[in-house]
Amino acid sequence: DIQMTQSPSTLSASVGDRVTITCRASQSISSWLAWYQQKPGKAPKLLIYKASSLESGVPSRFSGSGSGTEFTLTISSLQPDDFATYYCQQYSSYITFGGGTKVEIK
Amino acid sequence: QVQLQESGPGLAGPSQTLSLTCTVSGGSISSGSYYWSWIRQPAGKGLEWIGRIYSSGSTKCNPSLKSRVTISLDTSKNQFSLKLNSVTAADTAVYYCARGRGSEGYYAFDIWGQGTMVTVSS
Repeated sequence: DIQMTQSPSTLSASVGDRVTITCRASQSISSWLAWYQQKPGKAPKLLIYKASSLESGVPSRFSGSGSGTEFTLTISSLQPDDFATYYCQQYSSYITFGGGTKVEIK
Repeated sequence: QVQLQESGPGLAGPSQTLSLTCTVSGGSISSGSYYWSWIRQPAGKGLEWIGRIYSSGSTKCNPSLKSRVTISLDTSKNQFSLKLNSVTAADTAVYYCARGRGSEGYYAFDIWGQGTMVTVSS
């Protein structure tokens, strides 16, 4: 099965910072990658699909890039509502999620 | 808009069968190219995909759980269901149902239920 590794596991940042989260796949997944945001006690929310396509209604400060085995999620200017845990998910072969990256207040 | 809602017992005994249902409202479960899925999350941990059923009724499950999982569709009630047998404490988690949007077997989850906590304990 395909393993997804996210880094860092925790990230401390301030409002206005540019934030980048990395997700690596154990084998090529083409562009079959999604990113989710999850807040405590809530279901995940789809942000990005097919590596770089922004889900409808998601602010444009979120962007995704990459293909093959290395992917990034970037938040161009961190807002108070963005402090949450972020997960990547591959859907090239079965489905697996990364371990998550918690973005916390610095 | 389409909404999903999980329901079922919050407690299951060891070695018993965990049964959950997801009710879809605001749209037909049998229309469109959607992959109706179950995903779980142990407390404080990450997400694990359990399996899915396509609107045609075909299923696909996580190989690590495949022998214990049954997913079914009830189009008359606009519901899909999960049965996980021979449960242990390791199956204690929040269980989510979700809609996979995509095609040809490639999909991301655009709509999620609120999740339901299931505890395995005697």
